[in-house]
Amino acid sequence: DAKTTQPTSMDCAEGRAANLPCNHSTISGNEYVYWYRQIHSQGPQYIIHGLKNNETNEMASLIITEDRKSSTLILPHATLRDTAVYYCIVRRTGTASKLTFGTGTRLQVTL
Amino acid sequence: GAVVSQHPSWVICKSGTSVKIECRSLDFQATTMFWYRQFPKQSLMLMATSNEGSKATYEQGVEKDKFLINHASLTLSTLTVTSAHPEDSSFYICSAGTGGFGETQYFGPGTRLLVL
Repeated sequence: DAKTTQPTSMDCAEGRAANLPCNHSTISGNEYVYWYRQIHSQGPQYIIHGLKNNETNEMASLIITEDRKSSTLILPHATLRDTAVYYCIVRRTGTASKLTFGTGTRLQVTL
Repeated sequence: GAVVSQHPSWVICKSGTSVKIECRSLDFQATTMFWYRQFPKQSLMLMATSNEGSKATYEQGVEKDKFLINHASLTLSTLTVTSAHPEDSSFYICSAGTGGFGETQYFGPGTRLLVL
């Protein structure tokens, strides 16, 4: 699976949009971009995933560049409860394809 | 989203004893489940892939005789840490896939193991 690069940490003011970037320049055509987050001492929580089109759900939006070499996760109105480590993972399609976690971005939402 | 549970949520045991951790998919069937381990301030590391009705596939460096995995049904996988030692103390997390093209994996809440 393609490797991803994320900033180590980011800060965001509560109520503002949090934009978390991810580079995946070696992504293949059959690989999806997944985002998970892990709040301290909990299991990772699925946020969103996409192949090439932008995606939006109740938690976030995922913007994937046209060449698919990078993406941005957008939390439109960050709250203190969004403080977590966010993982961008590129993964092959198909059942039983494992997730490989990098170091992620530690997002700190502040008052 | 789909719900995955783990039991127990935390366990303390003496060195040399065995500990079993259960992972259940509550509202979907999971042909494949995954077991991860996470040490403090580190990322999740995949230990093994558990397939229903067959032997688990272990990642390089993970001792299959020490970490026994059983996936007896489409909703239950168990991880048994045999002859646990203090260095096995960690946060163990399972995940289960919903299956299909572009499937999503959902994670359990994790089990914190402390070996004294």
